[in-house]
Amino acid sequence: AQSVAQPEDQVNVAEGNPLTVKCTYSVSGNPYLFWYVQYPNRGLQFLLKYITGDNLVKGSYGFEAEFNKSQTSFHLKKPSALVSDSALYFCAVVGYQKVTFGTGTKLQVIP
Amino acid sequence: DSGVTQTPKHLITATGQRVTLRCSPRSGDLSVYWYQQSLDQGLQFLIHYYNGEERAKGNILERFSAQQFPDLHSELNLSSLELGDSALYFCASSVAPGSSSSSGANVLTFGAGSRLTVL
Repeated sequence: AQSVAQPEDQVNVAEGNPLTVKCTYSVSGNPYLFWYVQYPNRGLQFLLKYITGDNLVKGSYGFEAEFNKSQTSFHLKKPSALVSDSALYFCAVVGYQKVTFGTGTKLQVIP
Repeated sequence: DSGVTQTPKHLITATGQRVTLRCSPRSGDLSVYWYQQSLDQGLQFLIHYYNGEERAKGNILERFSAQQFPDLHSELNLSSLELGDSALYFCASSVAPGSSSSSGANVLTFGAGSRLTVL
């Protein structure tokens, strides 16, 4: 069975500081990994994905994610946080016919 | 606007009732996924349809059912509603069936959700 873990319910970071939102996964075969963001009262929006190739994936709004096969992790990062980045972030893994999401991490960027 | 349309946006009903949530996928997308989002259980996968056929089932209760019609829109039927069914229900669509093949791993486009309140 495939699974995704986001160990932090909430991450607080000061505006301008780097941010990291953690994600670990478990899946049979090659992992296909995603990050989505959800703003209040909105559906989830795609940020970035890892299929194959470079371990550092760049996505929307200046976000990037680092794939680490040995640690089965896919952490989301941004060099300099903005207040507008405050939202709920979901990591997801694609397996056979199914997309499994983590429980979400609330990112709070403090001015 | 993501291109995925969900109706109704809000729905308030009583326990024991039945409701139908509707989803129109993005133009060209053949796959429709349904998810339930509640405060205590996060985003739960319910069911996946591809081109009218059921492809995968998640934690969907027997009181719930879904279908995808020839025009590719989908409906999620919730019956004998309980207080615990109160949640946001999201529909998402994608081009391919989301298999683990190299052609899979496609991006899901989500609708804005239907907020169900059961009183």
